[in-house]
Amino acid sequence: LAKTTQPISMDSYEGQEVNITCSHNNIATNDYITWYQQFPSQGPRFIIQGYKTKVTNEVASLFIPADRKSSTLSLPRVSLSDTAVYYCLVGDGSGGFKTIFGAGTRLFVKA
Amino acid sequence: NAGVTQTPKFQVLKTGQSMTLQCAQDMNHNSMYWYRQDPGMGLRLIYYSASEGTTDKGEVPNGYNVSRLNKREFSLRLESAAPSQTSVYFCASRDTYNEQFFGPGTRLTVL
Repeated sequence: LAKTTQPISMDSYEGQEVNITCSHNNIATNDYITWYQQFPSQGPRFIIQGYKTKVTNEVASLFIPADRKSSTLSLPRVSLSDTAVYYCLVGDGSGGFKTIFGAGTRLFVKA
Repeated sequence: NAGVTQTPKFQVLKTGQSMTLQCAQDMNHNSMYWYRQDPGMGLRLIYYSASEGTTDKGEVPNGYNVSRLNKREFSLRLESAAPSQTSVYFCASRDTYNEQFFGPGTRLTVL
């Protein structure tokens, strides 16, 4: 069963770049890697998704090495409002619809 | 376009009582999911439905049943609530690009 491992928490300051790495050693060949953001008392919200190499959108970049056993979410120039929990999500290893959330990384951005 | 809606928002049950959590989506997605999130923890998959007419167990299905009533609606039933089921329950639907859209959650307390 595919499992993800992330740091439990990270601290940063406003304006800095934050990189959060997720390990997913058993990722299936056809699984995508997706990152979500969750604020207190809300459901998770999609940030970015990728399969390999690099993906960039208006809020983040996602770096995936060739072996796909890990991925790194990069948040440029964080602000206080980026304080949240970030989850890395992959499939269950079978390439199907079952998805496994890890424990997430609690990012705290300080002024 | 309401996205994913969940009812009720809050519920208090006594041990042994039953209830059904309702979820509906208006995005014409095929796949739907039920998760639970305990305080300070990540999301755990209870059940999912890859398409209308199918349901499958997730990581923590014991004590729950689900019904995929039609393409829009996916309900979660607790037949005999236990204090260990005190949690926040999130429903999600998934589009063809693997992005999951989450509802606002139902906060359930079992006394």
